[in-house]
Amino acid sequence: EPEVTQTPSHQVTQMGQEVILRCVPISNHLYFYWYRQILGQKVEFLVSFYNNEISEKSEIFDDQFSVERPDGSNFTLKIRSTKLEDSAMYFCASMLPLSYGYTFGSGTRLTVV
Amino acid sequence: KNEVEQSPQNLTAQEGEFITINCSYSVGISALHWLQQHPGGGIVSLFMLSSGKKKHGRLIATINIQEKHSSLHITASHPRDSAVYICAVRSNGAGSYQLTFGKGTKLSVIP
Repeated sequence: EPEVTQTPSHQVTQMGQEVILRCVPISNHLYFYWYRQILGQKVEFLVSFYNNEISEKSEIFDDQFSVERPDGSNFTLKIRSTKLEDSAMYFCASMLPLSYGYTFGSGTRLTVV
Repeated sequence: KNEVEQSPQNLTAQEGEFITINCSYSVGISALHWLQQHPGGGIVSLFMLSSGKKKHGRLIATINIQEKHSSLHITASHPRDSAVYICAVRSNGAGSYQLTFGKGTKLSVIP
């Protein structure tokens, strides 16, 4: 069965450093998402991406965050200057419309120290 | 904004028991997802519902659109069913199909 692949599975970074989280969505899916889950809390929507641009973003997705689909297969989330409160599990997901079927990646656990 | 509530928050069951997890939401939706999250953190999609009932193996999901309520049932529960079960909804008018999540129900099935 097709999978959404995320790398790395765990990243530790110093506060203030830039991080890039990588995802390879399912090839024929059209919508791509980043969600995050702070430890012990519910999963929250960050951003959706369609037709090579951001289609919606949440209040969490401020100027420190950006997304890119540089080569038609990878989908990246960049955090420019990490804060302690950015520590969370970040999930990539992709979706094929009409079926509404979502596939999630296994997540990247980001720890900011 | 859709509010998604799940109950119970925690559930401990004996192996073999029938389990029900409930989800209610505040605003009309176009789809509801039941998801499973294992201790390692990965999320697996179990069901996507827009009406009625779906069954997959020992899992059954139902939705009542008028009542804004869905249930996930597990028959003949097994220790490997231990996980967090999460309800997530796509609200009507959410143009990019993003999901709003509940807090999850932590299920522990003991032998």
